[in-house]
Amino acid sequence: QSALTQPRSVSGSPGQSVTISCTGTSSNVGGYNYVSWYQHHPGKAPKLIIYDVNKRPSGVPDRFSGSKSGNAASLTISGLQADDEADYFCCSYAGSYTFVVFGGGTELTVL
Amino acid sequence: EVQLVDSGGGLVQPGGSLSLSCAASGFTLSGYWMSWVRQAPGKGLEWVANINHEGSEKYYVDSVKGRFTISRDNSKNSLYLQMNTLRVEDTAVYYCARPLYSSGWAGFEYWGLGTLVTVSS
Repeated sequence: QSALTQPRSVSGSPGQSVTISCTGTSSNVGGYNYVSWYQHHPGKAPKLIIYDVNKRPSGVPDRFSGSKSGNAASLTISGLQADDEADYFCCSYAGSYTFVVFGGGTELTVL
Repeated sequence: EVQLVDSGGGLVQPGGSLSLSCAASGFTLSGYWMSWVRQAPGKGLEWVANINHEGSEKYYVDSVKGRFTISRDNSKNSLYLQMNTLRVEDTAVYYCARPLYSSGWAGFEYWGLGTLVTVSS
């Protein structure tokens, strides 16, 4: 069982928005503003799309946004595109001993 | 272009050993601490080990302490993971990963494609 809880799957139609939740505890998500999100297409390397809760690396479109409230973080993808269909997983810093913990991943289906 | 190429995975019996490598290109390896992260079949990702820039500081998840050793050779732009006394539960795809920043933590900006380690009799 992963330290962070994500829904196993979400879906949406092209052009719509979807939100993926990531629930942790005060020892990880709630305790630090170091939540990151990754997009993973099977067979490819995972791609960082959000870091520090709501920052986007260069080249990541602003359709991807992140937020956090308490022990829960969220990734919102607006204007869904076919290429957004992938697995998404969250990650949070959890202190110097544990370092980082991950969610179990959410499969996004673009209908 | 930054690239990380993981290799060395395979099938090994419980109790056996395996050595993984990660060839880095497109950036100066010595400028970053590095990590190994794994994903067991049907499970989420799990951080495995970190090594600092010079290789003098190493950190491990509890489940691999005493069995796995992370190392690096900056002159060869390579990261390694020596895995001994392997267990069935070590079966996973292993990724090498580079953080966004050369110090501190924000996320893993670059990942390898992963190499599959299967521990089975």
